[in-house]
Amino acid sequence: AQKVTQAQTEISVVEKEDVTLDCVYETRDTTYYLFWYKQPPSGELVFLIRRNSFDEQNEISGRYSWNFQKSTSSFNFTITASQVVDSAVYFCALKTGNQFYFGTGTSLTVIP
Amino acid sequence: AAGVIQSPRHLIKEKRETATLKCYPIPRHDTVYWYQQGPGQDPQFLISFYEKMQSDKGSIPDRFSAQQFSDYHSELNMSSLELGDSALYFCASSRKFGSQETQYFGPGTRLLVL
Repeated sequence: AQKVTQAQTEISVVEKEDVTLDCVYETRDTTYYLFWYKQPPSGELVFLIRRNSFDEQNEISGRYSWNFQKSTSSFNFTITASQVVDSAVYFCALKTGNQFYFGTGTSLTVIP
Repeated sequence: AAGVIQSPRHLIKEKRETATLKCYPIPRHDTVYWYQQGPGQDPQFLISFYEKMQSDKGSIPDRFSAQQFSDYHSELNMSSLELGDSALYFCASSRKFGSQETQYFGPGTRLLVL
């Protein structure tokens, strides 16, 4: 069965702190894609990253970084030096075959 | 820069009516995705198109259909609307470059079924 688990429902951090959002996935497929999306309070969805299962190289984009570890089936997302504008719900998703599986989201609040 | 356009932005319908949502992808994007997000829920993938052909099909009800036209815009047709269809419907477009793909989302259409 395919599944995405975001165990952290809500996280609050103080501005400038680092925060890691966890994502654990389950699949028996060898080819799959992992995604992170951001949904700020305004409601729009913002695509952050797509990673395929054959590429375990970690990625950094500005204050964002992603740690993909197949050994633990995890695709964690770290925000460095968090800012108030980072406050949003973050969704992790898995795509296998023709199906997307979303986690239930982590609501991040960055306190000024 | 041009973004993904969705119309209408808001729509109110009654049960058993039909609705058509439109999505205009970013120019030169070849792929369109449709997602449904109920209140307080995570997004659900409905369907996607690549080069005007259906590429992936997710949890799209049989009452819904979609297509992508020659100008790459896409329409999601919803019939026999139910109260549970009330949701935010997102469209996203992308253009694949080898193994790389970035999805760009529209602002969403908020559908309320009364």
